[in-house]
Amino acid sequence: EVQLVQSGAEVKKPGESLKISCKASGYTFTSDWIAWVRQMPGKGLEWMGIMHPGDSDDIYSPSFQGHVTMSADNSITTAYLQWSSLKASDTAIYYCARRGSGHGFPFWGQGTTVTVSS
Amino acid sequence: SYELTQPPSVSVSPGQTARVTCSGHALPKQYAYWYQQRPGQAPILLIFKDTERPSGIPERFSGSISGTTVTLTISGAQAEDEADYFCQTADSTGTYVVFGGGTKLTVL
Repeated sequence: EVQLVQSGAEVKKPGESLKISCKASGYTFTSDWIAWVRQMPGKGLEWMGIMHPGDSDDIYSPSFQGHVTMSADNSITTAYLQWSSLKASDTAIYYCARRGSGHGFPFWGQGTTVTVSS
Repeated sequence: SYELTQPPSVSVSPGQTARVTCSGHALPKQYAYWYQQRPGQAPILLIFKDTERPSGIPERFSGSISGTTVTLTISGAQAEDEADYFCQTADSTGTYVVFGGGTKLTVL
């Protein structure tokens, strides 16, 4: 069974750094792309970017390029999303999702809530 | 930037047919996908590659495409179908993924 289990909720202050995780199991981690999706409070889904753990290839949405970094540790089949300096506007739920055939996402993590407040 | 346009809300009576549309100029070139998101839950893939339904998704959910518009049809809507629905595709180059703004389906 494919599972994506994300790290727990975070409360941070503006300017702080953060790294959230997405632990994958039930498939060959290095064979499929993993995307990150943001959902701000009461809003829709926003695609942030996607990376391939097998070769570290990545594509960032222009809206998020330079503000977040995607990475992975293949030895523990875990993908990461990190910020070096959070803003209040980063308050959102962040989902990781494994890409299936084409550009769709049949598997999703449960989401990580990030709250940034002074 | 590329955009997909969905109506903000759709209402349907129980047992009737609901249709949620999604428009975008790249849709004839790139497959569309549909997701259901209930409050407090992660999205669930309902339709992939315009018209295909993953195993476990009820047959009352179907997808279609006509020109630059794709449509999610829910035949015989049930109270449990009340949720947000998002369409998704890639831009014409296949590089960037984009989601529609979402449609809130009310069953009343």
